Amino acid sequence: DVKVTQSSRYLVKRTGEKVFLECVQDMDHENMFWYRQDPGLGLRLIYFSYDVKMKEKGDIPEGYSVSREKKERFSLILESASTNQTSMYLCASSFEHSQPQHFGDGTRLSIL
Amino acid sequence: AQSVSQHNHHVILSEAASLELGCNYSYGGTVNLFWYVQYPGQHLQLLLKYFSGDPLVKGIKGFEAEFIKSKFSFNLRKPSVQWSDTAEYFCAVKPNQAGTALIFGKGTTLSVSS
Repeated sequence: DVKVTQSSRYLVKRTGEKVFLECVQDMDHENMFWYRQDPGLGLRLIYFSYDVKMKEKGDIPEGYSVSREKKERFSLILESASTNQTSMYLCASSFEHSQPQHFGDGTRLSIL
Repeated sequence: AQSVSQHNHHVILSEAASLELGCNYSYGGTVNLFWYVQYPGQHLQLLLKYFSGDPLVKGIKGFEAEFIKSKFSFNLRKPSVQWSDTAEYFCAVKPNQAGTALIFGKGTTLSVSS
């Protein structure tokens, strides 16, 4: 069974801090994704990656960056955290771009 | 821009009632279609998917969905819901076009009372 592991379930940071959210998958999937989930807005794609060292902007990339140095790991970086980045962040992976995505448990991030 | 619409934000049903959740998308080409479910406190998981073939697809836990190409719809159904079906349901569409990503609807919260 595919396992997507996000490093933290809950995280509290202060405005202006640089924040790192880590995600690891154990199924050698090519594709990895970062979403944020907000009530009434569903899932919105921040960034995705189809290969190591490759990244593509999603619908809401502003204020975020990503890093994919190894196939199994995809990191989301908040360069200078702001209160409007308080949200649930979900990582996902898939074997091929049209195949179903497998999701982690999410990180609930609060920016104070 | 491509989009996915879920018509109902919150649906409240009694146990044994029938369920139908609407999903429409705006893309004229070939698509792959998905329904995901998120139970309280759990991660999103795949309920069912449609790639091609029989437009009526069956998923886990008695759910099914019908793809109607002419209506750009992929509605989710279950004949008789249970209390344990209380969850948030997301429709998602993947245009069969290079460089596109999965597009999610805003979700429908289903509350089932026993």
